[in-house]
Amino acid sequence: GAGVSQSPRYKVAKRGQDVALRCDPISGHVSLFWYQQALGQGPEFLTYFQNEAQLDKSGLPSDRFFAERPEGSVSTLKIQRTQQEDSAVYLCASSLRPANVLTFGAGSRLTVL
Amino acid sequence: AQTVTQSQPEMSVQEAETVTLSCTYDTSESDYYLFWYKQPPSRQMILVIRQEAYKQQNATENRFSVNFQKAAKSFSLKISDSQLGDAAMYFCAYCPGGGADGLTFGKGTHLIIQP
Repeated sequence: GAGVSQSPRYKVAKRGQDVALRCDPISGHVSLFWYQQALGQGPEFLTYFQNEAQLDKSGLPSDRFFAERPEGSVSTLKIQRTQQEDSAVYLCASSLRPANVLTFGAGSRLTVL
Repeated sequence: AQTVTQSQPEMSVQEAETVTLSCTYDTSESDYYLFWYKQPPSRQMILVIRQEAYKQQNATENRFSVNFQKAAKSFSLKISDSQLGDAAMYFCAYCPGGGADGLTFGKGTHLIIQP
């Protein structure tokens, strides 16, 4: 596609539910990043993929967060047993190769009640 | 660890005037990139301007220019002839030379354009 596509755009979950957020990067983009953006804050790095390899997951806040990109294109961010503090916008970004400019998706806004 | 500081939570400017948004950063690296991103209420981050640290010349994109002071670790954004469409959150971001560490963002500056 022409841009980075994220779904769902909005997700409301009850505390304790599992959620899955999807990212469709630009075709051919090698690098893929996930960021978490709390209300009124700048995005915070979560994890980085180069093709299907997850090279850095140091930003994932707990072991309830899991990300995958099994075929080197679409990526899914999964959050298990959601907590209220997980409420945020989750941004996905991709680039043709490392150090290239990132193109961001519109984000998925997660609200945990 | 790298940090990016934006000391102005909110700025307001009259339409057609010039405004400067401040950003400072801290790093021990010599090879890196700096960015300004714009995030309108629709949330999608849009690249405004990019600066490579090894280039002394300040980057310019139409009405947007930067003042890059490497020794002072300062990277301010100047918007000339401000337009209503410039209203947004502006984020300063840092990326090390390899790029694989992703971007470190500041907390953002909310820019208001007064008609």
